[in-house]
Amino acid sequence: QKEVEQNSGPLSVPEGAIASLNCTYSDRGSQSFFWYRQYSGKSPELIMSIYSNGDKEDGRFTAQLNKASQYVSLLIRDSQPSDSATYLCAVNPSGAGSYQLTFGKGTKLSVIP
Amino acid sequence: DAGVIQSPRHEVTEMGQEVTLRCKPISGHDYLFWYRQTMMRGLELLIYFNNNVPIDDSGMPEDRFSAKMPNASFSTLKIQPSEPRDSAVYFCASSASRTTRLYNEQFFGPGTRLTVL
Repeated sequence: QKEVEQNSGPLSVPEGAIASLNCTYSDRGSQSFFWYRQYSGKSPELIMSIYSNGDKEDGRFTAQLNKASQYVSLLIRDSQPSDSATYLCAVNPSGAGSYQLTFGKGTKLSVIP
Repeated sequence: DAGVIQSPRHEVTEMGQEVTLRCKPISGHDYLFWYRQTMMRGLELLIYFNNNVPIDDSGMPEDRFSAKMPNASFSTLKIQPSEPRDSAVYFCASSASRTTRLYNEQFFGPGTRLTVL
């Protein structure tokens, strides 16, 4: 069973702080990694993708990937109340032609004004 | 682009009734995915299609569930007969194949909230 694990939270951070969200995965051959944001009652929205080890920055968001440790994280700098949502980690498992994503159950983030 | 379109947005039905959920993927996307989301189980993949052909339906919970994709712009997920435990939010998502830059990035529709009484 290929699994994606996340701390369910809630993770509470004060406005302006850095929020750090973590995710581990079991399939060592996984190639693609994604972070989705889901506001309450809404659909998941893709915010970051990362395919190689290291950091990828996009505005206030930084995704970090360490394939050796099977670990991917999302940092949100200068957190805003509008960042309050559930963040889903998704992994594309190994296997030729595999286009599926396996999702974690998400971490609920609350940014306190 | 209009994004992934789903209908209906909300469905309330009684146990035993047939339910049909509909999805229109983003134009040009050749992969379509059906997911179910509950608090207990999170976001689960039910089935996915490539070029209108079902590729993996191992996530379909039982024979009461069926899905079709008669053409590139339309898919249905049917539950017959429905049961209270089917109550969930059902999402449709689409993506493009690896020949494009954004491969594997799935784009979700707004979902259908199903309540079976």
